[in-house]
Parts: sequence; C-alpha cells; structure tokens
Amino acid sequence: NAGVTQTPKFQVLKTGQSMTLQCAQDMNHEYMSWYRQDPGMGLRLIHYSVGAGITDQGEVPNGYNVSRSTTEDFPLRLLSAAPSQTSVYFCASRYEGFKGNEQFFGPGTRLTVL
Amino acid sequence: GENVEQHPSTLSVQEGDSAVIKCTYSDSASNYFPWYKQELGKGPQLIIDIRSNVGEKKDQRIAVTLNKTAKHFSLHITETQPEDSAVYFCAAKEPDDYKLSFGAGTTVTVRA
Repeated sequence: NAGVTQTPKFQVLKTGQSMTLQCAQDMNHEYMSWYRQDPGMGLRLIHYSVGAGITDQGEVPNGYNVSRSTTEDFPLRLLSAAPSQTSVYFCASRYEGFKGNEQFFGPGTRLTVL
Repeated sequence: GENVEQHPSTLSVQEGDSAVIKCTYSDSASNYFPWYKQELGKGPQLIIDIRSNVGEKKDQRIAVTLNKTAKHFSLHITETQPEDSAVYFCAAKEPDDYKLSFGAGTTVTVRA
C-alpha cells in the first residue's frame, strides 16, 4: 500500500491565484481530512469527509473548498490564494470502527503565497 | 467541541533521561487519545494510543497514562535517544464525532 499520498510537495503561488492540492489513499478509508500546520498552532482541521459525496467544515474552512467524488481522492482547492494561507498542508485518512481509529497522514504540501 | 491543551511547548533532555509531555482535554465524553510523532519534513505518525477504559499503556520505551477524573493524559519516553528528537502531538476524540482535536505540539530535543 502507498498509504496517503499528496501532490505537490512544494508550491509557490501569487496572491489571487488558484490551485488544487491533491490527496489520495489506497486503504479504503471512509474518513479523510485536511489540516494546516502553522508554527505554535498545531494541526488545525480545514475540511473533512466521512465518505464519498459527504463533506463538512472544520475549524478553519474559509478560503478552501473540497469535494469527495470517490473513496480514494480528496482534493483541496484554494480559490484565491492569500498570504495568510502560507502553511504546510496535511491530508489524512482513517478507518472508523471496531478495528481501531489510527489516522494516517500524508507527507505534506508546503505552500507559500507571495 | 473538544479543546486540548499541551505542555510544555519545548522540551530539552539529556540522552538517557526521561521525557514527559502532558495534555488536558475539556470534554469528559472523549474516549480515544492518540499520540503522534512528527519528524522534520514528514507527516505525523501514530506512536501510541489509549482508550478511556484503560489507565496506562506501554510499548517498549514509551508509555501513556490517562486520568479520566482530572481529564489529562501524559506521554512518557524513557531512556531517550537522539532519534526521539521530534515534534509530538496529543489528540482527543469524542465518541460521536469523527474529528480528532490536536494539542499545539511539543518540540523534544535530545542532547547527546
């Protein structure tokens, strides 16, 4: 299994540009989520999904959109990038059930908005 | 929603000494408490977790303790080694919620 994969690893955008951060998992996990990591602020939840066609907002959703058309993929879209969105973004997936709740993280995307 | 506080934010220990990180949570209904280790340039990885029906869990040099009454849980690393240097995150999960609530993280440095 490849686990959770993210692309790209690094990205530089100009203010106002849009882009999509890709995330895929091959573990057939129903739950997927996106976090951003900023110094001293831990991991903050942006959006999450509990299955194909179902998404919901986390604690910092403004400026981001998500969709979940398949179990495997959960892309994160920045509609109009702002310098405040400079951060490291992590995608994660998890099995929900009696087998356990281990959450697997991808390697991250480091985004800089100029 | 759940609120998790983590202390200290940074921790420097001599190789071979023990390290302890403490977290408190706000929702007494939370029943799952994982700890993640994040090495430089990588995503967080689960190192140990504990459920609310257990007071302590050990895995080689790491252990987690849970005090449900006081609503806090701690990570203990014994005989620290240079490869233990990383950022550690605690988290808590409520039973009827999909979301994990994370602490702000602790940067652990093991001095040789």
